[in-house]
Amino acid sequence: EPEVTQTPSHQVTQMGQEVILRCVPISNHLYFYWYRQILGQKVEFLVSFYNNEISEKSEIFDDQFSVERPDGSNFTLKIRSTKLEDSAMYFCASSRDLNYEQYFGPGTRLTVT
Amino acid sequence: AQRVTQPEKLLSVFKGAPVELKCNYSYSGSPELFWYVQYSRQRLQLLLRHISRESIKGFTADLNKGETSFHLKKPFAQEEDSAMYYCAPSKTGGTSYGKLTFGQGTILTVHP
Repeated sequence: EPEVTQTPSHQVTQMGQEVILRCVPISNHLYFYWYRQILGQKVEFLVSFYNNEISEKSEIFDDQFSVERPDGSNFTLKIRSTKLEDSAMYFCASSRDLNYEQYFGPGTRLTVT
Repeated sequence: AQRVTQPEKLLSVFKGAPVELKCNYSYSGSPELFWYVQYSRQRLQLLLRHISRESIKGFTADLNKGETSFHLKKPFAQEEDSAMYYCAPSKTGGTSYGKLTFGQGTILTVHP
């Protein structure tokens, strides 16, 4: 069964550095999402992406964040200048249509020191 | 504002006992409602969605629009049901594109 994959599984970075989190969604899916979960807190929506553009973003998703689907396969989340409070588990998800099941990746644990 | 409340952070039952995981939501319009589950060391996965009205692994969820609740139930819990359960409404239409709003989650432990 196809799965969403994410790399790396764990990323450690210093405050102020740029990080790129990578995701490969399921190939025939059209809607892509990033969520994050700070330790001990709920899973929070960051951004949705459809038809090569952002369709919705949360208040968390400020100018430091960007998403890209550079090659029709990968879906990336970039944080330009990381802060300590960006430390979290970041989940990528994809779905083939609106309100269909979202398939989640295993997550990338980002640690900002 | 969209809000999802799962009042129990932890829920423990014995094998064979009934279990109910509560979810209340505050949402404008008529959201689509989902329960997602995360078993130990596994990824988040869909358990069931309201619109399909299926029973998955013996679980069902009833939507009560008057109470804005979507409680998850199973008549006889099994040890393999131990997991974290998330209630997650989703709204589409307007500027919404399937964004899931997660509750805090309930950790269900089923004892032998």
